Amino acid sequence: ETGVTQTPRHLVMGMTNKKSLKCEQHLGHNAMYWYKQSAKKPLELMFVYSLEERVENNSVPSRFSPECPNSSHLFLHLHTLQPEDSALYLCASSQGTATGELFFGEGSRLTVL
Amino acid sequence: EDQVTQSPEALRLQEGESSSLNCSYTVSGLRGLFWYRQDPGKGPEFLFTLYSAGEEKEKERLKATLTKKESFLHITAPKPEDSATYLCAVDPYGQNFVFGPGTRLSVLP
Repeated sequence: ETGVTQTPRHLVMGMTNKKSLKCEQHLGHNAMYWYKQSAKKPLELMFVYSLEERVENNSVPSRFSPECPNSSHLFLHLHTLQPEDSALYLCASSQGTATGELFFGEGSRLTVL
Repeated sequence: EDQVTQSPEALRLQEGESSSLNCSYTVSGLRGLFWYRQDPGKGPEFLFTLYSAGEEKEKERLKATLTKKESFLHITAPKPEDSATYLCAVDPYGQNFVFGPGTRLSVLP
């Protein structure tokens, strides 16, 4: 138990579906992140939120839409995805964006058919 | 450009056979270097943070060391439960974390 909870753990969706990934952290951290992990590739940073404000958008396609309603919750809204978007999506949190370790959730395994 | 490489890509050890994993980095300024363990289908689990050359951290059978250009994760007398992918990441000043591709470790009984 890392203090970062992601749901769902597994998701299968068609290219025309709309779905959302959810992340909740119980660590009192101020920064939250979405990472994408594809096979045999390093973790790719997608989005960074600090105190509910987006501070980084790493050239991510608009079919991925993040939302951070408060410092404990983070969503990733998905629509009209492509098969190459199939990956493990990891949420992480840290004390701040400038200091400290990242604590990761268990990930959401996404398969796009 | 900040960069992290890890070697070897994969390592197979017999139980009890000690070895080391390497993480080489190129950054303009290093705030910290991190080691994570990742089991299949799960998120990375934090292991160590190293901040300055010469620093060492230990946890059970693992010891992490840091120089100005690389870090080593030494595994002493590994057990099958140490099998996982080990990720290295650097925290450069003014930038977000940069992760290496990982080393996949298999420890055979």
